[in-house]
Amino acid sequence: DTGVSQNPRHKITKRGQNVTFRCDPISEHNRLYWYRQTLGQGPEFLTYFQNEAQLEKSRLLSDRFSAERPKGSFSTLEIQRTEQGDSAMYLCASTIRGADNEKLFFGSGTQLSVL
Amino acid sequence: AQSVTQLGSHVSVSEGALVLLRCNYSSSVPPYLFWYVQYPNQGLQLLLKYTSAATLVKGINGFEAEFKKSETSFHLTKPSAHMSDAAEYFCAVSPAGGTSYGKLTFGQGTILTVHP
Repeated sequence: DTGVSQNPRHKITKRGQNVTFRCDPISEHNRLYWYRQTLGQGPEFLTYFQNEAQLEKSRLLSDRFSAERPKGSFSTLEIQRTEQGDSAMYLCASTIRGADNEKLFFGSGTQLSVL
Repeated sequence: AQSVTQLGSHVSVSEGALVLLRCNYSSSVPPYLFWYVQYPNQGLQLLLKYTSAATLVKGINGFEAEFKKSETSFHLTKPSAHMSDAAEYFCAVSPAGGTSYGKLTFGQGTILTVHP
């Protein structure tokens, strides 16, 4: 169990560029969640997957945001045409849905800065 | 709809003193409630959770929280603070069970400072 891994740790980009973040959940975790955390706020739920199926995406912040989990293992979160307001920490979490003592394991996040 | 309010964005205590971090929630359905801790440059770590069993929940590192439905509260306590408890703490609520488990609504966080 190596924990939830997120890459890159930091991303600096210019406004209008596209960015993609990767999340590797704990092996065999069937649920994967994406959250966003802005300075001074708690994390905000964005979307989640059960294996490869995206069960909810209505909370994605705009149509510039999209997420995939093509093989039910790692996931990517893409932001197209970035804006300065997208600057935040993007967090990934995973769990085994239905397991005894189920709990979310969070990664350390990807810090996005849009210049 | 659900929401969480953490009273006090900063709490400062002396080492050995009682820690009390306040959390009030609003939920239209029976809730699950959580406390998470975040150390600098680390991921959120679950301290404890309430999932409709015992109302007094014990967690890691000596923390505990009591679910009070009548007060819609889930305050976090620790009898004696340690320097290593300095961190940011988040209260969160989720609809109880079902497909919504894991879709947490977080409070704004409380930064705990522990003085020698």
